[in-house]
Amino acid sequence: GAVVSQHPSWVICKSGTSVKIECRSLDFQATTMFWYRQFPKQSLMLMATSNEGSKATYEQGVEKDKFLINHASLTLSTLTVTSAHPEDSSFYICSAAGGKDTQYFGPGTRLTVL
Amino acid sequence: KQEVTQIPAALSVPEGENLVLNCSFTDSAIYNLQWFRQDPGKGLTSLLLIQSSQREQTSGRLNASLDKSSGRSTLYIAASQPGDSATYLCAVRGNTPLVFGKGTRLSVIA
Repeated sequence: GAVVSQHPSWVICKSGTSVKIECRSLDFQATTMFWYRQFPKQSLMLMATSNEGSKATYEQGVEKDKFLINHASLTLSTLTVTSAHPEDSSFYICSAAGGKDTQYFGPGTRLTVL
Repeated sequence: KQEVTQIPAALSVPEGENLVLNCSFTDSAIYNLQWFRQDPGKGLTSLLLIQSSQREQTSGRLNASLDKSSGRSTLYIAASQPGDSATYLCAVRGNTPLVFGKGTRLSVIA
C-alpha cells in the first residue's frame, strides 16, 4: 500500500522560532497533499490543500503567512510554522492524494512550543 | 458546509461485547465514507472505505454500513477485544478533502 512519511515525528521549540515539517509520499506521486491539525480530544481540521507547483489553498481562519506551505515536487510538501507560539502546539498530520477517492495519511508530527 | 457528527463521544464495554459506533453527516453528496482508527498520539489507520454506491463493507470483525440518503453510517465491531481500544474516526469525502468527525473513544475492558 501507499506510504506517507512525516519528519520529524515530534519537535519541541521555543516561542518565536520557526519549525519545518516534511511530508513525503514514498512510493507514489502525489499532485495534491493536505495538511491537518488536531488539538487534544478534537477532530482533524483541514488547514490547507497543497498542489504541486502552485500556491496552497488555505481554509478559512488559517493564516497563510504563519503556516507556510511549499509543494515543490510530486513527493514532498513542507509546512513551516513561523514565529511559533504555545497555542500552535498541536498534532499536525499530512495526507497525500493517491487518486480521486483515496487519501493516505502520514503518522503525524507532535509540535510543542514552550 | 459538510459537518460530521459521531455518537457516542466515548464508550466503555467489557471484552467480548458487540458494539456499534454511529456517524452522521449533513450533506449527502459524498463520494465515499471512511472509518479510521487512531491510537493515542499516533496517526490514522484506515479500516474501511465505502463508496457512495455501496451499502456496506466488511473486514474481519468490522462491518461498516452506509445510508447515503439519510446521511448515516455505522461501524459494527464484533466480539470486541482490549486491543480494539482506540479512537474511531469517521470521515466523508465530497467535493472537498476528507471532513472528519470528532471520533468515538472506545475502551474495551478485559
